[in-house]
Amino acid sequence: KQEVTQIPAALSVPEGENLVLNCSFTDSAIYNLQWFRQDPGKGLTSLLLIQSSQREQTSGRLNASLDKSSGRSTLYIAASQPGDSATYLCAVTNTGFQKLVFGTGTRLLVSP
Amino acid sequence: DADVTQTPRNRITKTGKRIMLECSQTKGHDRMYWYRQDPGLGLRLIYYSFDVKDINKGEISDGYSVSRQAQAKFSLSLESAIPNQTALYFCATSVAANTGELFFGEGSRLTVL
Repeated sequence: KQEVTQIPAALSVPEGENLVLNCSFTDSAIYNLQWFRQDPGKGLTSLLLIQSSQREQTSGRLNASLDKSSGRSTLYIAASQPGDSATYLCAVTNTGFQKLVFGTGTRLLVSP
Repeated sequence: DADVTQTPRNRITKTGKRIMLECSQTKGHDRMYWYRQDPGLGLRLIYYSFDVKDINKGEISDGYSVSRQAQAKFSLSLESAIPNQTALYFCATSVAANTGELFFGEGSRLTVL
């Protein structure tokens, strides 16, 4: 059974810092990995999707990497801003099932 | 308008009542999902549907049922609500093609007293 873990559970940083969020998964037979952002009381917004054949994806100040063999992904946020404060979730889709298994998220607070 | 719309957004009900949460999408996606989110447990899959005639149980389907009325509509029912079904419920959609990217609704917060 696929299990997804995110460390740390919470992170507080001052504005301007670069930061890394971690995601690990137990079964390397994945189809893809997605990073989502969730604001309080809101739905999930897809940030980046990495296919199993890819090593990384970039969007603006965000960069996500994938090391499938070691079961790890990182989300790098450059020059953090208070507007980045949210919960960040990673999720993997196993090959053959086409449905996501989610981590419990990292709650990020960026202080001005 | 949102591409994935959930109604109601908030609902308070009593134990034993029947509740229906509805989801409609304008993205034209074949695949639809219902998840629930609980603090500390992340999102867990309740049911999913890959097309109108295809319904599958997820990891926590007990106490729930679903109906896929059309490609664009997927509803979740709690036949007899109980307090531990208090949670935030999300509908999501995806295409059947290779990317597998999911798109979520805003969520329905259900409180069972």
